[in-house]
Amino acid sequence: QKEVEQDPGPLSVPEGAIVSLNCTYSNSAFQYFMWYRQYSRKGPELLMYTYSSGNKEDGRFTAQVDKSSKYISLFIRDSQPSDSATYLCAMRANTGNQFYFGTGTSLTVIP
Amino acid sequence: DADVTQTPRNRITKTGKRIMLECSQTKGHDRMYWYRQDPGLGLRLIYYSFDVKDINKGEISDGYSVSRQAQAKFSLSLESAIPNQTALYFCATSLPGTGLGETQYFGPGTRLLVL
Repeated sequence: QKEVEQDPGPLSVPEGAIVSLNCTYSNSAFQYFMWYRQYSRKGPELLMYTYSSGNKEDGRFTAQVDKSSKYISLFIRDSQPSDSATYLCAMRANTGNQFYFGTGTSLTVIP
Repeated sequence: DADVTQTPRNRITKTGKRIMLECSQTKGHDRMYWYRQDPGLGLRLIYYSFDVKDINKGEISDGYSVSRQAQAKFSLSLESAIPNQTALYFCATSLPGTGLGETQYFGPGTRLLVL
C-alpha cells in the first residue's frame, strides 16, 4: 500500500465550477500537509500548507485535513482556466526527513 | 531570477553514458533534494542532503550518486545511464525546523531521455 493515494484524474470542469481534489494516506504520524500546483513543463509550486487537522482558506482555495479519516482535500471555488494544472498533495511527519507525495491529479478548466 | 535553477533543462544521452545534472539555489536553504517524476508514479526521492557534509539515500538511489559542492549546489550523477532512467528530474530545497520552513521549493526540472 502506498503511503499517499491520489486519484490521477484527469478531471475536466467548466469555468466557474467548484473543484474538489482529494488524497488519502495511511501513516497516522503525518502532521504537515501541503498542496502543490504544477503547470506543464514546470516544477511544482507550493499552493497551500496546513498543520494537523482543520481548514485553511486562501482566496479561492480551501484546504481541509481530516486526520481521523486520514483524508485531505483541496477545494477551488470559481475555477478559472488558469487553474488548469496538475495538483499534488504532499505530507510529512514531525520526525523523519521524507516528504511523501501523491501522484497528482490533472485538472482542466474549460472556458 | 529563479531561486532554484537546474541545468541542463533538457538532455538526450545514450545508454552507458555518465551524465551530471546540476542544481543551484539562492534561497539560502541548507536542505536540498533530488527527485524523479514519472507518469503514474509521482515524485520519488533519490537523494537528499541536510548540509554540505550530509548525504542520504532516498527510496530509489540505485544507479545514482550525488555531490554537495557547497550550500548552494547539489549535483546528481547517473554513473551509467539506462533507458528506465528516462524521467523528469527535480531539485528542491527546504529550511529545517517546523512550520512553513519545512515545505519544499522546486526547480524547473530537467527532462532526461536515455536512448
